[in-house]
Amino acid sequence: QKEVEQNSGPLSVPEGAIASLNCTYSDRGSQSFFWYRQYSGKSPELIMSIYSNGDKEDGRFTAQLNKASQYVSLLIRDSQPSDSATYLCAVNNQGGKLIFGQGTELSVKP
Amino acid sequence: ETGVTQTPRHLVMGMTNKKSLKCEQHLGHNAMYWYKQSAKKPLELMFVYSLEERVENNSVPSRFSPECPNSSHLFLHLHTLQPEDSALYLCASSQDVAGGREKLFFGSGTQLSVL
Repeated sequence: QKEVEQNSGPLSVPEGAIASLNCTYSDRGSQSFFWYRQYSGKSPELIMSIYSNGDKEDGRFTAQLNKASQYVSLLIRDSQPSDSATYLCAVNNQGGKLIFGQGTELSVKP
Repeated sequence: ETGVTQTPRHLVMGMTNKKSLKCEQHLGHNAMYWYKQSAKKPLELMFVYSLEERVENNSVPSRFSPECPNSSHLFLHLHTLQPEDSALYLCASSQDVAGGREKLFFGSGTQLSVL
């Protein structure tokens, strides 16, 4: 089992829709969770962090964490073509290591 | 200059060459990292430095040799690489070593091709 697992996609949504990106992790003791966005040919950029169960909203982005289910998700409301990128889930596990998933490619169609 | 800068952006080298990647961070951070990103694979942590001291080496082949002369600069020296080493090499920094809520700031990366 991968330590951090994401569907590689591509996930295609129409402009204006909600994009839902999912991530599961194996270490039940993990405490910190991050979403990075990586445009093609560019470096990853942190867009959200979440540490407690529940939802955290920042503009059009909402991160959701469910530690019991070992699941973290990122919702993007009113998706725009400029949101087209690969989204990397990263989990800081109990050993203090930051583990990345392979990323989900999102394509927002005009 | 702001953030994390890496040079060169692109590098093509033969298997017998020796080259170096350079990273500089202007954020006043104490920790710096080298990551390898291959197509369709998760980011792989290679090396971690905290206050110029190497704190982690993730079983990286000796043909990759890091150097951290001060907390703002990080190098990755390359020699006798293999074609499978072709990848995007990313430098990152954080306020302290990522063991909790530390957030990474990445450089633009060096796209390396080994012929």
